[in-house]
Amino acid sequence: SAVISQKPSRDICQRGTSLTIQCQVDSQVTMMFWYRQQPGQSLTLIATANQGSEATYESGFVIDKFPISRPNLTFSTLTVSNMSPEDSSIYLCSAVMEGAFFGQGTRLTVV
Amino acid sequence: DAKTTQPNSMESNEEEPVHLPCNHSTISGTDYIHWYRQLPSQGPEYVIHGLTSNVNNRMASLAIAEDRKSSTLILHRATLRDAAVYYCILRGPGGTSYGKLTFGQGTILTVHP
Repeated sequence: SAVISQKPSRDICQRGTSLTIQCQVDSQVTMMFWYRQQPGQSLTLIATANQGSEATYESGFVIDKFPISRPNLTFSTLTVSNMSPEDSSIYLCSAVMEGAFFGQGTRLTVV
Repeated sequence: DAKTTQPNSMESNEEEPVHLPCNHSTISGTDYIHWYRQLPSQGPEYVIHGLTSNVNNRMASLAIAEDRKSSTLILHRATLRDAAVYYCILRGPGGTSYGKLTFGQGTILTVHP
């Protein structure tokens, strides 16, 4: 299993600003993923973040809006750029071993 | 991705068994059946997974139909802490899509004291 820590756990941000979410895994993992969960909805995959390569984005998500870093096998960041109220969601990171393990999520409110 | 179908909600009483069904009629021969649950205000949590044979672990049992077109997650004695959204997800064995999870709406399980 893996323990995943996300920071911050929640934030309230002004529109037009950016927020960087950090995800730390307690063991080395090849594959990490970022998801978004809009209010009352299920999870939607934003991108795959593998160490040593650029992130791969799902349809509807672009690098300019959600830049991702993956500097090593235990850490990743997701930035939500130029935020608008529509970006208010829970953002979750995930690390995959045999099963997928998730952080507690970052609850973002954009005002 | 092969699709899964789950009931929107189910209810149970505490200490009774719960059977959560999932239909996946378009499952491919190499897809694994995974179950995750999401407790309120938490990230999803891995529950169990299987390919063809029934599986048991400390959290639950997974019963897989012989034709693999459906499966059932079994909680043997529901507790109040089992109240969550339960997701049935199909996942390929490897390749570039390995690890990517496609979440449906899941089943909201309510457990009554």
